[in-house]
Amino acid sequence: ETGVTQTPRHLVMGMTNKKSLKCEQHLGHNAMYWYKQSAKKPLELMFVYNFKEQTENNSVPSRFSPECPNSSHLFLHLHTLQPEDSALYLCASSQVATAEAFFGQGTRLTVV
Amino acid sequence: GENVEQHPSTLSVQEGDSAVIKCTYSDSASNYFPWYKQELGKGPQLIIDIRSNVGEKKDQRIAVTLNKTAKHFSLHITETQPEDSAVYFCAQTTGGFKTIFGAGTRLFVKA
Repeated sequence: ETGVTQTPRHLVMGMTNKKSLKCEQHLGHNAMYWYKQSAKKPLELMFVYNFKEQTENNSVPSRFSPECPNSSHLFLHLHTLQPEDSALYLCASSQVATAEAFFGQGTRLTVV
Repeated sequence: GENVEQHPSTLSVQEGDSAVIKCTYSDSASNYFPWYKQELGKGPQLIIDIRSNVGEKKDQRIAVTLNKTAKHFSLHITETQPEDSAVYFCAQTTGGFKTIFGAGTRLFVKA
């Protein structure tokens, strides 16, 4: 248990659905991240929130919409996804001063 | 752009032998280099890290070395055990929160 909790663990959704991934950290960190992990590819940084402000958006399609209401919670809203968006979505948090990032277990997303 | 190259992609060793994984990076401003272990069905777990003002760090059977001049760093696991089998990722961090990961090394430890 790393102190970063992601829900749901598994999600199957159709291309016309709207769903949200949730992440919560209990570590008192001030930065939170979304990563995408596809088979045989490096982890791809999607979004970074530093003190609730989005500081990084790595050219992610608009069908992925992040939300960070406070420094402990992070959401990823999904709509009109494509089958190639199927992947493991990982949330992480860190204290910016130390940069040590802790990951959640991930949400395994399948788009059908 | 910034990237991290990691080798080998797959590594198979006999139990008790040592395993070495190497990474090179391009961003000379990087100041933090963590290593993560990812087991099946789990998120990556931080196992050791090194900062740019240190050349080597050791934690029991795991050690990491950093050569800033050559821009490469390595993970060394000694006396490997079957439970060390996993995917290992190196990473570089710049500015406290921009982390770029290597492609990963799948380590198999044969009993």
